[in-house]
Amino acid sequence: AQTVTQSQPEMSVQEAETVTLSCTYDTSESDYYLFWYKQPPSRQMILVIRQEAYKQQNATENRFSVNFQKAAKSFSLKISDSQLGDAAMYFCALNNGGSQGNLIFGKGTKLSVKP
Amino acid sequence: DAGITQSPRYKITETGRQVTLMCHQTWSHSYMFWYRQDLGHGLRLIYYSAAADITDKGEVPDGYVVSRSKTENFPLTLESATRSQTSVYFCASRYLREGDSPLHFGNGTRLTVT
Repeated sequence: AQTVTQSQPEMSVQEAETVTLSCTYDTSESDYYLFWYKQPPSRQMILVIRQEAYKQQNATENRFSVNFQKAAKSFSLKISDSQLGDAAMYFCALNNGGSQGNLIFGKGTKLSVKP
Repeated sequence: DAGITQSPRYKITETGRQVTLMCHQTWSHSYMFWYRQDLGHGLRLIYYSAAADITDKGEVPDGYVVSRSKTENFPLTLESATRSQTSVYFCASRYLREGDSPLHFGNGTRLTVT
């Protein structure tokens, strides 16, 4: 069975500093996609970044980047120059390509940003 | 406006009552999903639908019923609400089943069962 594990229930970062959120996963598929979603207090689910397993290059979206280690099945999210608006719950998700078409989510990491 | 909308945003109901959560999307996405979000569990799939009139169970389907007579609507019904169904419910849609096609979420419904 496919699983996604986020081992850090809560994290804290100082404004303007860098923070890394961890995610590990397990799948028997050779091609798959990974996602990070952000959920601010408004409850809205916002796509932050996505990565295809076959691509060697780590995805980057402005201040957000990932460190994708396929052999280790690790997909961490790095947030640079943290801003107060980055405070949110962050979910890592795996698209296993199954017939359902759904994403499998980790339990989330709550990020606090200190001014 | 294009998007996916859920209603109501908040709902309080009593144990044993039937309640329906609505979901409507304007993209004509084939795939639609219902998740529940609970502290310590992340998001868990309740039901999904690959197209109109095609639905199937997810990870936690017990106590829930869905229907999809039209592509754009995917209501979720709690037939006899229980306190364990107190949760935040998200509807989502997706253009493709595979690949990097992301899930698009509604803003969620916070349901409290008293």
